[in-house]
Amino acid sequence: GAGVSQSPRYKVAKRGQDVALRCDPISGHVSLFWYQQALGQGPEFLTYFQNEAQLDKSGLPSDRFFAERPEGSVSTLKIQRTQQEDSAVYLCASSPTGQHTGELFFGEGSRLTVL
Amino acid sequence: SQQGEEDPQALSIQEGENATMNCSYKTSINNLQWYRQNSGRGLVHLILIRSNEREKHSGRLRVTLDTSKKSSSLLITASRAADTASYFCATTGLNDYKLSFGAGTTVTVRA
Repeated sequence: GAGVSQSPRYKVAKRGQDVALRCDPISGHVSLFWYQQALGQGPEFLTYFQNEAQLDKSGLPSDRFFAERPEGSVSTLKIQRTQQEDSAVYLCASSPTGQHTGELFFGEGSRLTVL
Repeated sequence: SQQGEEDPQALSIQEGENATMNCSYKTSINNLQWYRQNSGRGLVHLILIRSNEREKHSGRLRVTLDTSKKSSSLLITASRAADTASYFCATTGLNDYKLSFGAGTTVTVRA
């Protein structure tokens, strides 16, 4: 596709429900990042994939958060037993290389509201 | 935790005026980038400045970097209503691959 695509754009979940957020990066992009953005704040790093390998998951807030990119393209961020503090915008970004020198291309985000 | 801090948190200017915002960071960097985010949208890359560069221009944008002070500034000249957005600085640390963002500056351009 032309850009990074995320779905759903909006998700409302009841506390305790599981949610899955999808990211379609730009075709051929090697690196894929997930960020969490709370209201009025900057994005906070969650996890990083280089192709299908998850090289860094140090930003995942708890073991309820799980991310995968099994074929090195589409990625899914799963949150189990959602809590109110999980309410945020989840941003996916990709870049064409595995180097740390370039810009990131962001999707529009998935806004999660946990009631 | 946020690596960078933007200043001011919010800025309101008249169309045609210049907007200046600053970013300070804590650790040595490989490069520093500025991003714009319109309300409810994703982030859009504006400009990247490497640690060995001091100034860079792109259209109406001017970015400076002072690594001795661990600070950067973004100047938007002749602002337009369409420049209304939040602006974030983001840094990549040495031997790192992830961008660390500040909390952002919200800019409102009044027509």
